[in-house]
Amino acid sequence: AQSVAQPEDQVNVAEGNPLTVKCTYSVSGNPYLFWYVQYPNRGLQFLLKYITGDNLVKGSYGFEAEFNKSQTSFHLKKPSALVSDSALYFCAVRDYGNTGFQKLVFGTGTRLLVSP
Amino acid sequence: NAGVTQTPKFRILKIGQSMTLQCTQDMNHNYMYWYRQDPGMGLKLIYYSVGAGITDKGEVPNGYNVSRSTTEDFPLRLELAAPSQTSVYFCASSQTVNTEAFFGQGTRLTVV
Repeated sequence: AQSVAQPEDQVNVAEGNPLTVKCTYSVSGNPYLFWYVQYPNRGLQFLLKYITGDNLVKGSYGFEAEFNKSQTSFHLKKPSALVSDSALYFCAVRDYGNTGFQKLVFGTGTRLLVSP
Repeated sequence: NAGVTQTPKFRILKIGQSMTLQCTQDMNHNYMYWYRQDPGMGLKLIYYSVGAGITDKGEVPNGYNVSRSTTEDFPLRLELAAPSQTSVYFCASSQTVNTEAFFGQGTRLTVV
């Protein structure tokens, strides 16, 4: 089965500093990777995805992610963090069910806390 | 645009009771998903559907059932509720597995 791992439960960063939220993947074949964000008491919102092409993917709200095949990573980044970026971030991967259908599987999430 | 609508938003069930969580989407998406979110555990896939009449189990299907008789609706049935099913449940939909998934606001379920 394909999977993603988010090694950090929480990331703390000061406003204005660059931020990185880590994600590593375990995939056979070409990975289809995603990042989502969840604000308090809300459903998840899509940020960006990597299917193929450029290793640097740009997404919503100034976020970007770098796909690194040799390190099997897909880290989420932003050059300058905002307090409003504080939220729960999820990495996700396309996986295959037992019947061969494709599905979306999420990591455990990383809480980002940006301090003023 | 309504997007993905889940009802109810909150519910308290007694052990052994049953209920159905409703989910409907108005985007004509093929894929629909049910996830549960427990603190520190991320999102676990319960069931998913790739189209009307086609469903498949996810990571944690025990104690749940689903049906997909129409493109729009994907209800989740809990039979004989147990405290372990206390969680926040999210429904989502997407056109394909590779396109953006849209999530509902969630249903907070407590089993006592």
